Amino acid sequence: AQSVTQLGSHVSVSEGALVLLRCNYSSSVPPYLFWYVQYPNQGLQLLLKYTSAATLVKGINGFEAEFKKSETSFHLTKPSAHMSDAAEYFCAVSGSNQGGKLIFGQGTELSVKP
Amino acid sequence: ETGVTQTPRHLVMGMTNKKSLKCEQHLGHNAMYWYKQSAKKPLELMFVYSLEERVENNSVPSRFSPECPNSSHLFLHLHTLQPEDSALYLCASSQDGAVGKLFFGSGTQLSVL
Repeated sequence: AQSVTQLGSHVSVSEGALVLLRCNYSSSVPPYLFWYVQYPNQGLQLLLKYTSAATLVKGINGFEAEFKKSETSFHLTKPSAHMSDAAEYFCAVSGSNQGGKLIFGQGTELSVKP
Repeated sequence: ETGVTQTPRHLVMGMTNKKSLKCEQHLGHNAMYWYKQSAKKPLELMFVYSLEERVENNSVPSRFSPECPNSSHLFLHLHTLQPEDSALYLCASSQDGAVGKLFFGSGTQLSVL
């Protein structure tokens, strides 16, 4: 069985500050892990994914995430927040043989203050 | 606009109505999905179609009926829905083998009165 927990349903940062969105997972098989972003009135868009290669994964828009097996975590970071980063972010887990059958977390809404 | 198009964008229906949601993908993918997004809840996978497999989530009520006539089109037929079915319904597509790389449409915001 697999599950994802995102700590904090809402995170607020100032423009230029560090963004840290937390995700912990549970998986009985080696996990594939993902971060998706949803801008207002749009569908979800893949930010980055971990598929058992490098543990530090770089994605679009300056985001990156680090897979830490010992902590069962896959936190998303960005060194400097931009106003356009305001959106909802979803962490998701899948097994290698499960195609698009992703298990999503409940989402974290990121607000960026000027 | 992404390569996955959903219509209508908004739908209001009564509990006795029958309506259908439509999804079309122009990406050449061979798998399509329906997800339900409710406020403050994780996205819920409802149905999956691929050339090889159709997967139904057993917890999806029978008042939701999917149809996939070909690899580019996916429908979700709705009948006798309940107010708690009000949600954003998202369609996605992927290419088998591209694990977890889904392309989503903008969704249909459904309100059941």
